[in-house]
Amino acid sequence: GAVVSQHPSWVICKSGTSVKIECRSLDFQATTMFWYRQFPKQSLMLMATSNEGSKATYEQGVEKDKFLINHASLTLSTLTVTSAHPEDSSFYICSATLAGPGETQYFGPGTRLLVL
Amino acid sequence: RKEVEQDPGPFNVPEGATVAFNCTYSNSASQSFFWYRQDCRKEPKLLMSVYSSGNEDGRFTAQLNRASQYISLLIRDSKLSDSATYLCVVTLNTGGFKTIFGAGTRLFVKA
Repeated sequence: GAVVSQHPSWVICKSGTSVKIECRSLDFQATTMFWYRQFPKQSLMLMATSNEGSKATYEQGVEKDKFLINHASLTLSTLTVTSAHPEDSSFYICSATLAGPGETQYFGPGTRLLVL
Repeated sequence: RKEVEQDPGPFNVPEGATVAFNCTYSNSASQSFFWYRQDCRKEPKLLMSVYSSGNEDGRFTAQLNRASQYISLLIRDSKLSDSATYLCVVTLNTGGFKTIFGAGTRLFVKA
């Protein structure tokens, strides 16, 4: 099946630092990758849709300059949380689709970010 | 009104029970429908897609009623390992694809 990895799985950092999270599709090429955030006991909230070689499409309310997304290849997308603050602490999950963005999404294992 | 609504539960059922989850969606332009399960502190994993004709995978049966904008998931002969949060997921295309997750229904299966 389609496998998506994320790295790192855990991050603890000081307020003001930047954190980079990688999302890789291991056994397929993903034209579209998604980045989600999930707070405790809440549903996944889509942050942005990332297409290889083009700028990411951000959801309303998500700051482009704070959450930098780079989709450099068909197997790698990165999310950088710039100048992280405690309120950015969350579970960040990426997903990728085999075909178009309307198809089944395969999720990475997620990255837990704790900003002190 | 939320775009995808689910009863948050929790549903507490004994092993062997049959349990049903419901989900409603508000946008009639919704195109694709899925059930995912999410274990505590883990990523969501696809359980099954949902088709208008209804589909079954082992102990799991999913149904879609487009007229009522309603999706269901039936789990028969519940196992302890079925304990998880079940997410109703809808995809729509309104000039660009958008995937919307329900908040999930928590299920606890007890011995």
